[in-house]
Amino acid sequence: QSVLTQPPSASGTPGQRVTISCSGSRSNIGTNIVNWYQQLPGTAPKLLIYTNDHRPSGVPDRFSGSKSGTSASLAISGLQSEDEADYYCATWDDSLNGWVFGGGTRLTVL
Amino acid sequence: EVQLVESGGGLVQPGGSLRLSCTASGFTFSNYWMSWVRQAPGKGLEWVANIKQDGSEKFYVDSVKGRFTISRDNAKNSLYLQMNSLRAEDTALYSCVKHLSGPEYWGQGTLVAVSS
Repeated sequence: QSVLTQPPSASGTPGQRVTISCSGSRSNIGTNIVNWYQQLPGTAPKLLIYTNDHRPSGVPDRFSGSKSGTSASLAISGLQSEDEADYYCATWDDSLNGWVFGGGTRLTVL
Repeated sequence: EVQLVESGGGLVQPGGSLRLSCTASGFTFSNYWMSWVRQAPGKGLEWVANIKQDGSEKFYVDSVKGRFTISRDNAKNSLYLQMNSLRAEDTALYSCVKHLSGPEYWGQGTLVAVSS
């Protein structure tokens, strides 16, 4: 059972907007920054969003992140077939003194 | 270009030991926190341990405390993970990860299989 809760699956059609939630607690999301990662099948995870809502260079602006209280969200607009992947949120947990990942959300583009 | 190349994985019996290595290039290794993150087959990501730039601070996930030791050699641009008393549940792909604002860049990983 992950400290951060994500829906196990999400789906959308090309061009649609989808959001993936990440729920935590005061000791993790409530206090610290949230990152989001994309893992395409058979590849290493890639940083998608850092410090809640910042995109690394090269990440399309279709991807956006937000944080409110003890929850965070990743939004993907203009969904494309190549967005089909697993998505993970992560943050530092002050109680555990360690990084924690959400269980991951598998996004399917219908 | 950032490159992280892991080595040292393999098949080991329960109770055995392995030492993983990661060689970094393309960035100033000594300036960054580094982590090991693992992923069991078909499962999600699990952070294992991290280490400060000068090695003065180290943190571990509870399940490996007392069994695993993270270390680094900045002169050799290398990160290590000494794994003792290995268990079946330690079976995973272990990746070396460079930090920026948290885990940033992953290596391709080295596979550790614990089985009799």
